[in-house]
Amino acid sequence: NAGVTQTPKFQVLKTGQSMTLQCAQDMNHEYMSWYRQDPGMGLRLIHYSVGAGITDQGEVPNGYNVSRSTTEDFPLRLLSAAPSQTSVYFCASIGGGAGNTEAFFGQGTRLTVV
Amino acid sequence: AQSVTQPDIHITVSEGASLELRCNYSYGATPYLFWYVQSPGQGLQLLLKYFSGDTLVQGIKGFEAEFKRSQSSFNLRKPSVHWSDAAEYFCAVGARAAGNKLTFGGGTRVLVKP
Repeated sequence: NAGVTQTPKFQVLKTGQSMTLQCAQDMNHEYMSWYRQDPGMGLRLIHYSVGAGITDQGEVPNGYNVSRSTTEDFPLRLLSAAPSQTSVYFCASIGGGAGNTEAFFGQGTRLTVV
Repeated sequence: AQSVTQPDIHITVSEGASLELRCNYSYGATPYLFWYVQSPGQGLQLLLKYFSGDTLVQGIKGFEAEFKRSQSSFNLRKPSVHWSDAAEYFCAVGARAAGNKLTFGGGTRVLVKP
């Protein structure tokens, strides 16, 4: 099983450039989310989705857009990159049903904005 | 809103000694609780999880955690640390009622001395 596939693993952007981080899961999970990880701050929720066509903001949504056209895919878009968005990004897929919820994470994308 | 606090940013422990990592959470209902481990440059691996029932939970790699509702805590323990346990550890709280959102603590970095 592939689980959660996240691409790219590394990316360098110039300020103002746009890009999309890809996330795909093959576990048929309804719930997917994007986190950013910064030193000393743990993982902070950017956006999440509880199913195809449904997305919502997390703790730090500014500067990011998401969409969920299929159950499998949940891309994260940076429309105009800023140095403050330099971070490690993780996609997570959560499933397992009541009493057995578990989050599965991608390997992360290390993004540097110069 | 749910929140998680990991009071210790760094912990240094000698190989073979015991380890305890603290986690305090805030959530109005019964939470799901998780501990994840992250090795340098890697993604997050689930160590253990609590949903209900026995408050002492066994996980992988010899770790265990105890849920104490009265103290809103979910501390992680290991009786004898190995050098390979050097990593960053994250406590997380989630709840199906909150749309399966996971909220993470800031993490505790564990250093293991020979």
